[in-house]
Amino acid sequence: GAVVSQHPSWVICKSGTSVKIECRSLDFQATTMFWYRQFPKQSLMLMATSNEGSKATYEQGVEKDKFLINHASLTLSTLTVTSAHPEDSSFYICSARALESRGNEQFFGPGTRLTVL
Amino acid sequence: QKEVEQNSGPLSVPEGAIASLNCTYSDRGSQSFFWYRQYSGKSPELIMSIYSNGDKEDGRFTAQLNKASQYVSLLIRDSQPSDSATYLCAVKGRDDKIIFGKGTRLHILP
Repeated sequence: GAVVSQHPSWVICKSGTSVKIECRSLDFQATTMFWYRQFPKQSLMLMATSNEGSKATYEQGVEKDKFLINHASLTLSTLTVTSAHPEDSSFYICSARALESRGNEQFFGPGTRLTVL
Repeated sequence: QKEVEQNSGPLSVPEGAIASLNCTYSDRGSQSFFWYRQYSGKSPELIMSIYSNGDKEDGRFTAQLNKASQYVSLLIRDSQPSDSATYLCAVKGRDDKIIFGKGTRLHILP
């Protein structure tokens, strides 16, 4: 149980284009989903917290107009990187917290590697 | 600023020995503590969670928590080459956010 998927697993795009990443909880309902970014040899950095049916909460320094988050259902959240630039190239990972979970365990998706040319 | 500190390593341990990974945290009100394993190029995988002082064992893994010292550790017994990875300590504070340490790279020597 507690499987989280992400799509696509990798994407290469041109500078200035937008990229959408999907995060799905496959066998549980997620009240909250989290989006992280990880640069090489760095730790996970929380970008935003997404609750179903409400606006996402962004961490300090993360541009909400650039990283659009939609959490339309209890099993799906999407992150859209708008007008991507090479400095946005990174490993983007989502995680989901189950409705019935105690202790707030988070289960991670496999990640999406974004390369902006 | 809430922080989770880990030694970046690499920590080299002979196969079959015990690997000991340590983590300290700054938020005294933290309630939930997690250890994740991350292989290179992959996303983190939850291996242990601990919520109360003392030890929690799961197979070859033992998590230890000391809230008074703001210290949490992970012991891996009978270390295997497949245990070579980066281990992330994560702490949930009262604001419901989970903060990750930078991770300790563990290398099991065959």
